[in-house]
Amino acid sequence: DTGVSQDPRHKITKRGQNVTFRCDPISEHNRLYWYRQTLGQGPEFLTYFQNEAQLEKSRLLSDRFSAERPKGSFSTLEIQRTEQGDSAMYLCASSLGQNQPQHFGDGTRLSIL
Amino acid sequence: AQSVTQLDSHVSVSEGTPVLLRCNYSSSYSPSLFWYVQHPNKGLQLLLKYTSAATLVKGINGFEAEFKKSETSFHLTKPSAHMSDAAEYFCVVSDHRRDDKIIFGKGTRLHILP
Repeated sequence: DTGVSQDPRHKITKRGQNVTFRCDPISEHNRLYWYRQTLGQGPEFLTYFQNEAQLEKSRLLSDRFSAERPKGSFSTLEIQRTEQGDSAMYLCASSLGQNQPQHFGDGTRLSIL
Repeated sequence: AQSVTQLDSHVSVSEGTPVLLRCNYSSSYSPSLFWYVQHPNKGLQLLLKYTSAATLVKGINGFEAEFKKSETSFHLTKPSAHMSDAAEYFCVVSDHRRDDKIIFGKGTRLHILP
């Protein structure tokens, strides 16, 4: 069990640029989740996948955000035309399935200049 | 609808004394409840989970929590605090029918005084 890994750990970019984050879940986990965490708050659900299918998206996920999990393994989260309000920690988690605990990566911290 | 309220944003205890972090939940159905810990600039680590088996749940690092349906509470306790317990703690509720709709509390920052 190598754990959930996220890349990069930190991303600094100018407003208006596009960014892409990657998440590699625990290998036997078929569910993968994305969350956003701002300072002083708990994580907020963004979206999740069951294998390669994206099953739910939060209303927080505007049309500038897109997530993929093309082969049911790793996932990417892309933010287009970044805005100041996108500055946050983006967390990825994976689980074995329904009602199983989610295991989190260390997150990608995004800073928008 | 589900919600979770962590009653204290900050808790300070002396090393070696008991820890109590309070959590109240609201759920339309039978909930699953979790506690996670987050150290600075790290992801979240599962401490323990309740999924309708025993009401007293034991977790890692000496933590435990008791599910009290009548009080809609799921408080986290530890008999004796250690300096390494200083971190942010999150209470989480999920719905058995919609397990992937999990809601985090706003967190409680635990400070350990020497």
